[in-house]
Amino acid sequence: DGGITQSPKYLFRKEGQNVTLSCEQNLNHDAMYWYRQDPGQGLRLIYYSQIVNDFQKGDIAEGYSVSREKKESFPLTVTSAQKNPTAFYLCASSIGTSSAGIFGQGTRLTVV
Amino acid sequence: GIQVEQSPPDLILQEGANSTLRCNFSDSVNNLQWFHQNPWGQLINLFYIPSGTKQNGRLSATTVATERYSLLYISSSQTTDSGVYFCAVERHKLSFGAGTTVTVRA
Repeated sequence: DGGITQSPKYLFRKEGQNVTLSCEQNLNHDAMYWYRQDPGQGLRLIYYSQIVNDFQKGDIAEGYSVSREKKESFPLTVTSAQKNPTAFYLCASSIGTSSAGIFGQGTRLTVV
Repeated sequence: GIQVEQSPPDLILQEGANSTLRCNFSDSVNNLQWFHQNPWGQLINLFYIPSGTKQNGRLSATTVATERYSLLYISSSQTTDSGVYFCAVERHKLSFGAGTTVTVRA
């Protein structure tokens, strides 16, 4: 079955560490996105990529980095510069930028 | 950026009741989607509806693009309809509203 796989489901980070969240899709979608969700709030866009080897900052890119070396993969690194990283992170993909988005199941990141 | 406002923020329903959720947006958009987020965090696309009306079972949605709003109708609600409903609009990127939390009681 086609879909988006995020891993891990739960992740714990120590202060000062960088961590990488994985997002893989086998839908042959061109566009991929990373969102952050805080409790009781909507989703905020971190980064998005419309094509391999290209990506753009979203609304809250500071403290995050991404890469898009392969069409099916769009990993997100939460760096030590992100002062409040505890949140639920969702990855999505779509055929194009104006098409229905399909979401992964999310990664819940907690700073310990 | 585009502002997306959803109302009401919270909704409590008795099983079998009907309800309407509203999404207002501040500018013209290329795309509008409704999502349901279940208690485990999974976001499921309900409708891709930049304009017009669509129906899927007990759910239907209407978008009036010229007046910058969309409505999601839930009929004969069931406990499995509980969760958070998000409206998201797209011009150059997808922007989400804060959501409506729906609780359906048996």
